[in-house]
Amino acid sequence: GAGVSQTPSNKVTEKGKYVELRCDPISGHTALYWYRQSLGQGPEFLIYFQGTGAADDSGLPNDRFFAVRPEGSVSTLKIQRTERGDSAVYLCASSVGADGTQYFGPGTRLTVL
Amino acid sequence: GESVGLHLPTLSVQEGDNSIINCAYSNSASDYFIWYKQESGKGPQFIIDIRSNMDKRQGQRVTVLLNKTVKHLSLQIAATQPGDSAVYFCAENNAGANSKLTFGKGITLSVRP
Repeated sequence: GAGVSQTPSNKVTEKGKYVELRCDPISGHTALYWYRQSLGQGPEFLIYFQGTGAADDSGLPNDRFFAVRPEGSVSTLKIQRTERGDSAVYLCASSVGADGTQYFGPGTRLTVL
Repeated sequence: GESVGLHLPTLSVQEGDNSIINCAYSNSASDYFIWYKQESGKGPQFIIDIRSNMDKRQGQRVTVLLNKTVKHLSLQIAATQPGDSAVYFCAENNAGANSKLTFGKGITLSVRP
């Protein structure tokens, strides 16, 4: 079946702009995760959804970052007033349940000029 | 084969040899461990996992060993192939911590033809 998909694959924006990154999880997966990966580093946790609710948002770096999952499927990561330091690959993963194997999408590469 | 800790970021092996990639984890409360493979421009790909009630698990050409006493995890790849060339990450999870994964820094595996 289809894996996790993310759009866009690449996003270039200017400092101060607003961006939205989209994640389509594997069908039937109730848990959804966002991670951020900087060059040469492992992914770092941002936020975890169980169904529609954010069960853990402790990894969001500041209040410019926000994520939603209104119908318990697709999720959008929103970044306001982007900064150059936000440049990274944003990865989405989903799993069947809270402690199931996490399967990752291809990521969105965000570049803030 | 050769083994390397996370303090050495690159492992080079001859095609056909066995590879051993080591990882030291930090949280003694972690009870679930996963190895991911990441190729350039792609998201992490699940390889194999192991729970803390086991010390060994085998997959196709891969074996994961867990030593909880010294908080050490290893991935063994038999008969390494050129397609195994990638960055490998170990990740740990504490089910009591809302399932977020904590990733190690990663090791680059390079397979010489």
